Amino acid sequence: DSGVTQTPKHLITATGQRVTLRCSPRSGDLSVYWYQQSLDQGLQFLIQYYNGEERAKGNILERFSAQQFPDLHSELNLSSLELGDSALYFCASSVARLAVGELFFGEGSRLTVL
Amino acid sequence: EDKVVQSPLSLVVHEGDTVTLNCSYEVTNFRSLLWYKQEKKAPTFLFMLTSSGIEKKSGRLSSILDKKELFSILNITATQTGDSAIYLCAVEEGSQGNLIFGKGTKLSVKP
Repeated sequence: DSGVTQTPKHLITATGQRVTLRCSPRSGDLSVYWYQQSLDQGLQFLIQYYNGEERAKGNILERFSAQQFPDLHSELNLSSLELGDSALYFCASSVARLAVGELFFGEGSRLTVL
Repeated sequence: EDKVVQSPLSLVVHEGDTVTLNCSYEVTNFRSLLWYKQEKKAPTFLFMLTSSGIEKKSGRLSSILDKKELFSILNITATQTGDSAIYLCAVEEGSQGNLIFGKGTKLSVKP
């Protein structure tokens, strides 16, 4: 158990819909990262938050957004969903801001878009 | 464009075999290289390498980094069925501060 909690574990929805994925980082970790894992692309970095502020952005679509709240939990919002958005979405946390170091991953949220 | 390439993409061995997994990278602002093991779901950390030529070891697993040739290897000796997993290599990119992952090597260890 990494200490990172993600909900929901599984989600099935239709194209055009909007979903919210939730992540609680390990106790004491201020950085939260979101990754998307699909079969053909591997783990793709989406976005990082540190202590409530967006710190780094990767290949995140404009239809996707995220935020980190004062209690440090984070949410990833995916809207106007397309079939290609079906993937495993991981949240990870670390204590650091600038140096990533070791990331602790949650179990992931598997999104299926039908 | 920064990239991390792992080879082979998949590998099938028998218990007791020794395997070597490869990771090469082209990253502009290299900070460190990390190996993760992904069994069912969450990747779990194995090693972080920052200096060339210094081997990191944990039980039957070991890894080394060559910053001149831009690659790393992960060795697993006396493999067991429990080693079956996807092994992910990631490079920490310094300017953005995020991990760039390779697509992984899927290792299957047969009894």
